[in-house]
Amino acid sequence: AQSVTQLGSHVSVSEGALVLLRCNYSSSVPPYLFWYVQYPNQGLQLLLKYTSAATLVKGINGFEAEFKKSETSFHLTKPSAHMSDAAEYFCAVSEGEVPNNLFFGTGTRLTVIP
Amino acid sequence: EAQVTQNPRYLITVTGKKLTVTCSQNMNHEYMSWYRQDPGLGLRQIYYSMNVEVTDKGDVPEGYKVSRKEKRNFPLILESPSPNQTSLYFCASSLSNTGELFFGEGSRLTVL
Repeated sequence: AQSVTQLGSHVSVSEGALVLLRCNYSSSVPPYLFWYVQYPNQGLQLLLKYTSAATLVKGINGFEAEFKKSETSFHLTKPSAHMSDAAEYFCAVSEGEVPNNLFFGTGTRLTVIP
Repeated sequence: EAQVTQNPRYLITVTGKKLTVTCSQNMNHEYMSWYRQDPGLGLRQIYYSMNVEVTDKGDVPEGYKVSRKEKRNFPLILESPSPNQTSLYFCASSLSNTGELFFGEGSRLTVL
């Protein structure tokens, strides 16, 4: 069965500092992996996705994630945090037979301190 | 504007009173799905639909029903709501089979 684990339900960084949100997945086959972002009172929107074309994936708003098969990880990073990055971030993995069926992690709330 | 529209956005109801949360998308997407979001649990899939008249259970389908009579609409039905169905509900749709989901803004349901 597919699953993802997000380490840290809350992460705080200073404005301009590195953002690192951790995600580990469990999958018996190479998965599709995703990061979605949820701004306050909004639905989720796709930040980036990994589909085996390249291990380093670039997304919107300066975020990127690196797929590391040996570590079963797909951590999300951004070199310099901006106040507008404050949101909840969800890592997700897709089920093999129905790729649109996503299994989400429990989420990490990012706070950016001015 | 391409969007997924859910109604109502907020609802307070009482145990046992049937309710329907509507979901409509204007992108001609074949795939649609319902999730519930609870603190500390992330999002869990309730039901999904690959196309008109094709629906299937997700991870937490108990207490819910869905229908897909038209491509654009995918209503979520709670026949007899209970307090443990108090949650934030999201509808999502997708054109391709690649996990790129478009989400509605959510429907916050409270069952007393």
